[in-house]
Amino acid sequence: ELKVEQNPLFLSMQEGKNYTIYCNYSTTSDRLYWYRQDPGKSLESLFVLLSNGAVKQEGRLMASLDTKARLSTLHITAAVHDLSATYFCAVEETSGSRLTFGEGTQLTVNP
Amino acid sequence: DAMVIQNPRYQVTQFGKPVTLSCSQTLNHNVMYWYQQKSSQAPKLLFHYYDKDFNNEADTPDNFQSRRPNTSFCFLDIRSPGLGDAAMYLCATGRGLNEQYFGPGTRLTVT
Repeated sequence: ELKVEQNPLFLSMQEGKNYTIYCNYSTTSDRLYWYRQDPGKSLESLFVLLSNGAVKQEGRLMASLDTKARLSTLHITAAVHDLSATYFCAVEETSGSRLTFGEGTQLTVNP
Repeated sequence: DAMVIQNPRYQVTQFGKPVTLSCSQTLNHNVMYWYQQKSSQAPKLLFHYYDKDFNNEADTPDNFQSRRPNTSFCFLDIRSPGLGDAAMYLCATGRGLNEQYFGPGTRLTVT
């Protein structure tokens, strides 16, 4: 059974600081997603990482994937308050199959 | 714009009173998913359709049923809602190697 673990689960940081969220998964997969969720809202797709070594960046967020280590990271650079949300990683076991989500990381960026 | 639509966005039902949530898509995706997300938890897959083939998760209660009359529509039926079924219900669609697209969700309250 595929297991996906995120850490930390709660992250409080100051504006302007950098931090990394980690996502580990237990079985082979070449497809990993990062989503953002604001309170009471649905999931917003941030990144789709399809292969080993993939790196994608959008604004202050950068995601990477190491399939050999079964690890993905979401790096936050110079955080701003608008980034406050819950971030989920999700792993797709095979193409077109179910997503298994991590527990989520609740990020709070303080002024 | 092509999208995933869920109706209603908010649903209040009484304990034990059947309720149906709907999802429609204009993406012409062959896979449709239903996720349940309880407060402060990750989304949990209930079931999915691959074309007309229904795939139930092993731990999805019998109280939850689904129908997919055509490619565009998928319904989630809760036969006898309990207080523990209060949650956000997320519909998603996908096709082949493409990522899953999530709808805005339906927040279900059981009184």
